[in-house]
Amino acid sequence: SAVISQKPSRDICQRGTSLTIQCQVDSQVTMMFWYRQQPGQSLTLIATANQGSEATYESGFVIDKFPISRPNLTFSTLTVSNMSPEDSSIYLCSEVRRLNYGYTFGSGTRLTVV
Amino acid sequence: AQKITQTQPGMFVQEKEAVTLDCTYDTSDQSYGLFWYKQPSSGEMIFLIYQGSYDEQNATEGRYSLNFQKARKSANLVISASQLGDSAMYFCAMRPTFGTSYGKLTFGQGTILTVHP
Repeated sequence: SAVISQKPSRDICQRGTSLTIQCQVDSQVTMMFWYRQQPGQSLTLIATANQGSEATYESGFVIDKFPISRPNLTFSTLTVSNMSPEDSSIYLCSEVRRLNYGYTFGSGTRLTVV
Repeated sequence: AQKITQTQPGMFVQEKEAVTLDCTYDTSDQSYGLFWYKQPSSGEMIFLIYQGSYDEQNATEGRYSLNFQKARKSANLVISASQLGDSAMYFCAMRPTFGTSYGKLTFGQGTILTVHP
């Protein structure tokens, strides 16, 4: 299975600032995804990171707030922009290379906005 | 649209006993995949088991087995011989094989499992 290195693992940020989260996969993958997990909640898909093109966002998420880059098949970033306390969550990236098997997740970024 | 329902917010089990975590799903897709993940307090997501909608046999992975009842749209996780390290949040998830939501996972609300010594 793939290994995803996600960083930072946690951060405490001031409201109004931005944080960029990085995910590096140990080999090329077809699909990468970004999820948000609010405190005590389940995972919600933010967007699909597309290599070489704009990300595809789910309902309720917009590019201005969560810009995503995927410059190649092994790397992606998610930026949480103009943060507010409501953005305090765990953010996770995920990849899949074979649909008939488990998706691998990064270790998550625990974000606290104060 | 796909929906996953986990009706047990919390479950308790005695060490070495078996436990079943419930999961029901709703989808109009004919081809889909079902997953179970474990999330310890550290926050990482650990893949446990996968079941394809056309798989005739129930999936098993070590102490984990998936009780797949397609007609009832249920995909319950059975953990045998529970261990203290099994205490965690467990998520059921599914994804379609085709269509605009291809590859995207939908998660249930999760069940917190506590294993007592």
